Amino acid sequence: ETGVTQSPTHLIKTRGQQVTLRCSSQSGHNTVSWYQQALGQGPQFIFQYYREEENGRGNFPPRFSGLQFPNYSSELNVNALELDDSALYLCASSLGGGSNQPQHFGDGTRLSIL
Amino acid sequence: EDQVTQSPEALRLQEGESSSLNCSYTVSGLRGLFWYRQDPGKGPEFLFTLYSAGEEKEKERLKATLTKKESFLHITAPKPEDSATYLCAVRANDYKLSFGAGTTVTVRA
Repeated sequence: ETGVTQSPTHLIKTRGQQVTLRCSSQSGHNTVSWYQQALGQGPQFIFQYYREEENGRGNFPPRFSGLQFPNYSSELNVNALELDDSALYLCASSLGGGSNQPQHFGDGTRLSIL
Repeated sequence: EDQVTQSPEALRLQEGESSSLNCSYTVSGLRGLFWYRQDPGKGPEFLFTLYSAGEEKEKERLKATLTKKESFLHITAPKPEDSATYLCAVRANDYKLSFGAGTTVTVRA
């Protein structure tokens, strides 16, 4: 069974740039959620995709957007990067958009904004 | 809004010294409480799901319990490899997990 994989592992950008992060879900999982984790904090929910549709969003501005593809892989796009966007970005996959199955996480992308 | 508070922030234990971590929560309509373990530079690793008050789950030296207002993660006779940050999260009547800030456990040999 293949787990959740994310790429790249590390990324350095400057303010105002745009970034795309990628996630391959665990085999058999059709739901992907994205989280932002600042240093010393718990993960904060950004949004969730189920069957290629966004079906939930946290308190993040519209410059955070995403996609889910037919194979259930996903992308997180962030426009107009700000210094506060520096964080670990985590992708989690699960089975069923509204189910209570546990979410399984990848090891994240560490994004640094200069 | 859902609130999850974990205590203590950090815990230093001697190998074999049992202890407990606390997760208190405020949520409308709890659908599940989740415990994860996170090692430095890694993503959270799923440990347990608890669904209703009175439920208990065990895995090796870890035991999780749930009441209507809080959950405890008991670590019995810990070993150095149990050193990690332990995260608690709740799922309410929607889709997202709301996490606490975590408890960082250090076990000395």
